[in-house]
Amino acid sequence: GAGVSQSPSNKVTEKGKDVELRCDPISGHTALYWYRQRLGQGLEFLIYFQGNSAPDKSGLPSDRFSAERTGESVSTLTIQRTQQEDSAVYLCASTLTGVNTEAFFGQGTRLTVV
Amino acid sequence: GENVEQHPSTLSVQEGDSAVIKCTYSDSASNYFPWYKQELGKGPQLIIDIRSNVGEKKDQRIAVTLNKTAKHFSLHITETQPEDSAVYFCAAGGFLSGGYNKLIFGAGTRLAVHP
Repeated sequence: GAGVSQSPSNKVTEKGKDVELRCDPISGHTALYWYRQRLGQGLEFLIYFQGNSAPDKSGLPSDRFSAERTGESVSTLTIQRTQQEDSAVYLCASTLTGVNTEAFFGQGTRLTVV
Repeated sequence: GENVEQHPSTLSVQEGDSAVIKCTYSDSASNYFPWYKQELGKGPQLIIDIRSNVGEKKDQRIAVTLNKTAKHFSLHITETQPEDSAVYFCAAGGFLSGGYNKLIFGAGTRLAVHP
């Protein structure tokens, strides 16, 4: 596709369940980010993948959060044992290289934990 | 850790007036400063960016200025229009060594332009 694609667009889950969010970056983009955006708030950095380097996981809020990326393709963000405070929009972005270039964002996945 | 502060959190202007949003960053290694616009229900989109070898950049009604000594940068929108109403985010990148980029965002400014 032409842009960053995220799925699902909306997800409602029960507290305690695991969820998996998917991001398809722009083809050829080596770097990929995940951000969390709570309602009316800013973009909270979660994790950053750059090529085959070890990911920067410094923004993950707890060990319930994990993410994977295979090479320079799809990434999945997994949240285990979801809590109500996990409710937010999860945004994925990709960039052509890791060096100071435009980040293209997907539309986000709106996660609601009930 | 790395930090980007953004002010004001909300800004209300009359159509035709100018709007200024300011950001400061903590890490002097930062060398890339983009600005993003987020409309309701959409992901952020880049509107302008500036690199540390440039002090000012302009694109039609928007301009950015960078003061590396003071570690702050600003977005200026002139002749504002109702369609400029959105949330604007500043960001700073270049924290990591090896040339890798890690964008840290400010908390955002909600701009409302009233006709």
